[in-house]
Amino acid sequence: DVKVTQSSRYLVKRTGEKVFLECVQDMDHENMFWYRQDPGLGLRLIYFSYDVKMKEKGDIPEGYSVSREKKERFSLILESASTNQTSMYLCASSLPGAGANVLTFGAGSRLTVL
Amino acid sequence: DAKTTQPPSMDCAEGRAANLPCNHSTISGNEYVYWYRQIHSQGPQYIIHGLKNNETNEMASLIITEDRKSSTLILPHATLRDTAVYYCIVRVENNFNKFYFGSGTKLNVKP
Repeated sequence: DVKVTQSSRYLVKRTGEKVFLECVQDMDHENMFWYRQDPGLGLRLIYFSYDVKMKEKGDIPEGYSVSREKKERFSLILESASTNQTSMYLCASSLPGAGANVLTFGAGSRLTVL
Repeated sequence: DAKTTQPPSMDCAEGRAANLPCNHSTISGNEYVYWYRQIHSQGPQYIIHGLKNNETNEMASLIITEDRKSSTLILPHATLRDTAVYYCIVRVENNFNKFYFGSGTKLNVKP
């Protein structure tokens, strides 16, 4: 079974804290993605990566950074959390080429910033 | 990626077929139609995709019109667990760039 595992299901952080959201996939997928989901706004792409150490900005990269040191792991970093980053964060992965659009998502990490 | 239009919500009786429409009138010849769904508090789940021909798998059927300007996702025997938001997305097959999800259709399966 393809699995994308997000390290934390629920997190509560304070404004200004550094936050790490970890995502691990076990299917040797080249592509990995970070989305955030907010009511009324749908899923918005933050960053994606198509290879180790490669990253591309999505639609809303401001306030976020990412790290992909190993193929299976894609981390989302909030350098200084703010209340407007309270959201559901979804990680996904996919194969390259013909399978690139068949995304497998994790269960999500719900972050609350106080 | 071509823009898609879906109704915001639909109801379906349990055990009946659920037919979810999607308009994609500006679709290009090399763009596929993908369907995902998202059950409350979970990540989206891939359902099915197709280019021209109708497709069927264990979850659903996808019917694409001959002019490819619209498609319908069919859940043959909807259950309460099929209550979810269904997303129709159009894109080139090997394009990993900026995968957009719109607002989708909220399907309510009722007993």
